[in-house]
Amino acid sequence: SQQGEEDPQALSIQEGENATMNCSYKTSINNLQWYRQNSGRGLVHLILIRSNEREKHSGRLRVTLDTSKKSSSLLITASRAADTASYFCATDPGDKIIFGKGTRLHILP
Amino acid sequence: SAVISQKPSRDICQRGTSLTIQCQVDSQVTMMFWYRQQPGQSLTLIATANQGSEATYESGFVIDKFPISRPNLTFSTLTVSNMSPEDSSIYLCSVDDNTEAFFGQGTRLTVV
Repeated sequence: SQQGEEDPQALSIQEGENATMNCSYKTSINNLQWYRQNSGRGLVHLILIRSNEREKHSGRLRVTLDTSKKSSSLLITASRAADTASYFCATDPGDKIIFGKGTRLHILP
Repeated sequence: SAVISQKPSRDICQRGTSLTIQCQVDSQVTMMFWYRQQPGQSLTLIATANQGSEATYESGFVIDKFPISRPNLTFSTLTVSNMSPEDSSIYLCSVDDNTEAFFGQGTRLTVV
């Protein structure tokens, strides 16, 4: 069963704009991770945020975590064409990793 | 980190047959995970494979349909049994080190 729910399901923005994707989950977690998947390719780990952290940055990525609301957001600043991909949040209820449904991001030239 | 070799990378199979997917990790790991990714969808966890015990299946997946072997700490197989076109999907094995999940290249299965 899916643990995470991302929204929006699909997002199209102009190159250079910021893209924000949200993830909600259901159970307690130790960590929350974000992954990117380019069409037809494997998953790339982007960033991990621990349950005791509220915000984390990595390059153009900014992740927030609100454990009281069981939600996280991924912000990509100054988007580029190469950011076009599907983005998934993943949580760790127990010993396994469960992926959300994903957001398909399309960067328009 | 972990490097995972998965094979076959793709296959086209006749309905009613079975396919066994192999996954080799370059280090010893306690748990290995098998996922399915249907076209345009996210990854759905099929089961967790522990060495020396039966795999733990997620809701909606059963051992008769997806038998799993885990003979040692670096290897696992997933069999997709009695296949139907609905089983057409990408199947991925994965391990994690508590900070990141690592994936095999995936097996793209088409059932005709």
